[in-house]
Amino acid sequence: DTGVSQNPRHKITKRGQNVTFRCDPISEHNRLYWYRQTLGQGPEFLTYFQNEAQLEKSRLLSDRFSAERPKGSFSTLEIQRTEQGDSAMYLCASSLLWAGGPIVDTQYFGPGTRLTVL
Amino acid sequence: SQQGEEDPQALSIQEGENATMNCSYKTSINNLQWYRQNSGRGLVHLILIRSNEREKHSGRLRVTLDTSKKSSSLLITASRAADTASYFCASPNYGGSQGNLIFGKGTKLSVKP
Repeated sequence: DTGVSQNPRHKITKRGQNVTFRCDPISEHNRLYWYRQTLGQGPEFLTYFQNEAQLEKSRLLSDRFSAERPKGSFSTLEIQRTEQGDSAMYLCASSLLWAGGPIVDTQYFGPGTRLTVL
Repeated sequence: SQQGEEDPQALSIQEGENATMNCSYKTSINNLQWYRQNSGRGLVHLILIRSNEREKHSGRLRVTLDTSKKSSSLLITASRAADTASYFCASPNYGGSQGNLIFGKGTKLSVKP
């Protein structure tokens, strides 16, 4: 399977614990995005990387959220001191943006990690 | 903030019927994309239409785009029970060189066998 993969698929944690999610993008893709989706809503953008550079992180929900993509391949999203309001589906997407080409950025999504904070 | 708004929020039809979903967006775009999401799963890219295109087909899907009205529609012909899912329109946010997608709340389609 050469699609976007995310692990774990489900995570149940207690309030106050830290959690980390992993995303493996499609191998040749240079862009990687994190989104959060709550019930009945569309995905909401959190942050994104181009290669290893995090180009936008102002939409991360609080300073408890952080993301890394250390070698420009897989990425991790960490939530520290989880709260019940963090319960949601966390989606990762990747795309290949051609430098100098038309800006047409089809994003391919992983299956998501469903977080439940008790 | 939500860029697109899908209409209707929910749609229930019989197998074999056509399903039409509409999307309105707020700012200028260079393309608009439609995604499908089965319950509790990730999103599947269906089709992308560029701002200089008015209509695009892919199998049983037909997408139209009216940039003057800032609206798009997705038509699924001869629907099947397997088409039951939520459908989202999304447009890229290229302001500030971001490129993230901005989604609407989606249309929940139920196709009854």
